[in-house]
Amino acid sequence: SDELTQPPSVSVSPGQTARITCSGDAMSRKYAYWYQQKSGQAPVLVIFEDRKRPSGIPERFSGSSSGTMATLTISEAQVEDEADYYCFSTDTSDNHSGVFGRGTKLTVL
Amino acid sequence: EVQLLESGGGLVQPGGSLRLSCVASRFIFNVYAMTWVRQAPGKGLEWVSIISDSGATTFYADSVKGRFTISRDNSKNTLYLQMSGLRADDTAVYYCAKAGYGNYPDYWGQGTLVTVSS
Repeated sequence: SDELTQPPSVSVSPGQTARITCSGDAMSRKYAYWYQQKSGQAPVLVIFEDRKRPSGIPERFSGSSSGTMATLTISEAQVEDEADYYCFSTDTSDNHSGVFGRGTKLTVL
Repeated sequence: EVQLLESGGGLVQPGGSLRLSCVASRFIFNVYAMTWVRQAPGKGLEWVSIISDSGATTFYADSVKGRFTISRDNSKNTLYLQMSGLRADDTAVYYCAKAGYGNYPDYWGQGTLVTVSS
């Protein structure tokens, strides 16, 4: 099955831009999806189909994808953006199974 | 706003069985695939299973294949996960999630904790 690789942690100061990457062969053929999970809460979808933002998600969240890497960018990061972020894609073997990256802990302070 | 409410979690002995339920509301349940995702304590998200809108097609992660069965009752707007042969490494919060077109989880429930321990 496919694997998605994320950095374990990213740290920025408030107001800076945070970039979280997700790499894997699936990224060149499948869309990337991004989830934010704050401590003790269920995940929330923040980006779908590489770069689309669900309603209610702040404009500072954006996504991009090129080759085998997808990137979640949080512009002017705020303290409230501190969370774990997971990328997701459907498995290239059957288009139905899913795979998550291992997650990136974003620290904003 | 989509609502998903899981139930059925609890403490179970290794080798035991448990059935999780997820009641859905505020969307047309029978036109969307549904998924289960789990998260072991202190660990990341793990995709578990998906079922098509009609229930005719199912897929499983290798880690649960042959032990877990996903099903749905569209007349009751309810998703199920029947778990058997439970092991300690099945201990996790189990989330029910609605699938968007493209089979990705878009809306999530709050989760139900399953603990496998003697």
